[in-house]
Amino acid sequence: EAGVTQSPTHLIKTRGQQVTLRCSPISGHTSVYWYQQALGLGLQFLLWYDEGEERNRGNFPPRFSGRQFPNYSSELNVNALELEDSALYLCASTVGTVSNQPQHFGDGTRLSIL
Amino acid sequence: AQSVAQPEDQVNVAEGNPLTVKCTYSVSGNPYLFWYVQYPNRGLQFLLKYITGDNLVKGSYGFEAEFNKSQTSFHLKKPSALVSDSALYFCAVSPPGFQKLVFGTGTRLLVSP
Repeated sequence: EAGVTQSPTHLIKTRGQQVTLRCSPISGHTSVYWYQQALGLGLQFLLWYDEGEERNRGNFPPRFSGRQFPNYSSELNVNALELEDSALYLCASTVGTVSNQPQHFGDGTRLSIL
Repeated sequence: AQSVAQPEDQVNVAEGNPLTVKCTYSVSGNPYLFWYVQYPNRGLQFLLKYITGDNLVKGSYGFEAEFNKSQTSFHLKKPSALVSDSALYFCAVSPPGFQKLVFGTGTRLLVSP
């Protein structure tokens, strides 16, 4: 069984640019979560999508957005990039929406802002 | 507000010795608790979870965790550490009804040969 896959693995951008990160969940998983792992800030919840809808959002500005497609894959978009957006962005997936299920993580996209 | 505390930035242990990585939580209601491990340049791997029932939970790679409701703790343990256990360990809580994980700051485990 293929795990959660994320692309690209690395990205380098400059301030003010826009970026799109992609995530494919484990087959059969309908919920996708995005987290930011920034140096010194730990792992922070960004977004949760299920059945194509945004279900929950962490404490991030609106320039962080995303969507989930009919095949349950997901994109995370970040506009007007700032230096502090440099981080590892992790995607996770679960079967259904029960919160006692473990989330399965991809290896992340490392975003560097110059 | 929900929170997780991992009081030790790093834990050092010799190979073959028992290890403990500490975690305490603050959340209203009965939480779901998780341990994850992260190796360099990788995502998080699920180790074990506590939902309800027996306070001692067994997980992957010989790890186990003890849930203590009165102390609001969920410490990760292993009877005999391996050098390959060296990694970053995260404790997380999923408050019932909230579809997200709240993570601790992580504890780096270093197992020396």
